[in-house]
Amino acid sequence: DAGVIQSPRHEVTEMGQEVTLRCKPISGHNSLFWYRQTMMRGLELLIYFNNNVPIDDSGMPEDRFSAKMPNASFSTLKIQPSEPRDSAVYFCASSLVGINYGYTFGSGTRLTVV
Amino acid sequence: EDQVTQSPEALRLQEGESSSLNCSYTVSGLRGLFWYRQDPGKGPEFLFTLYSAGEEKEKERLKATLTKKESFLHITAPKPEDSATYLCAVQARQAGTALIFGKGTTLSVSS
Repeated sequence: DAGVIQSPRHEVTEMGQEVTLRCKPISGHNSLFWYRQTMMRGLELLIYFNNNVPIDDSGMPEDRFSAKMPNASFSTLKIQPSEPRDSAVYFCASSLVGINYGYTFGSGTRLTVV
Repeated sequence: EDQVTQSPEALRLQEGESSSLNCSYTVSGLRGLFWYRQDPGKGPEFLFTLYSAGEEKEKERLKATLTKKESFLHITAPKPEDSATYLCAVQARQAGTALIFGKGTTLSVSS
């Protein structure tokens, strides 16, 4: 199993540009989570999906952020327009609903907005 | 509001010097408490899940314990390869399956 796959690993973009982060969860997992990690705030939940349906997006900072999960094997997190304060590491994680053995995280996307 | 606080923020140990990391939590009904390890440039890696007060889990030099208000991660005779950031997270019943994380404790073990 290749684990949770995120792309790109690093992204540097200019303020105002659109950024799209991608995630492929582990096959068979039916929950998918997007987290953002910064030194100041630690790991913050942005949004999560169960069976491709968004369940809680209360962590999405503002309307500039949007996430989709068109099928069980793919999800995107989009920021439009991007701002310097969006600079962080964005993690995707997947798990099985109702099973408490923890999430499996991807390696993250380091986003830098200049 | 559900909250997780970890202490200390950073801990430096000599190889073989045992110690404990603390995770204090406030949650409206605990479904589970999780410990993760995170190495630089990588995503968090799952270590343990604890479900009820009094429960203990062990893995190599690590032992996690749980009370009604906090959890401890005990590190016995640590080695340099134990150096990492250790994250604690809680899963509240009403939040469904989403984990709420603390900011972590960064452990450095020198030989």
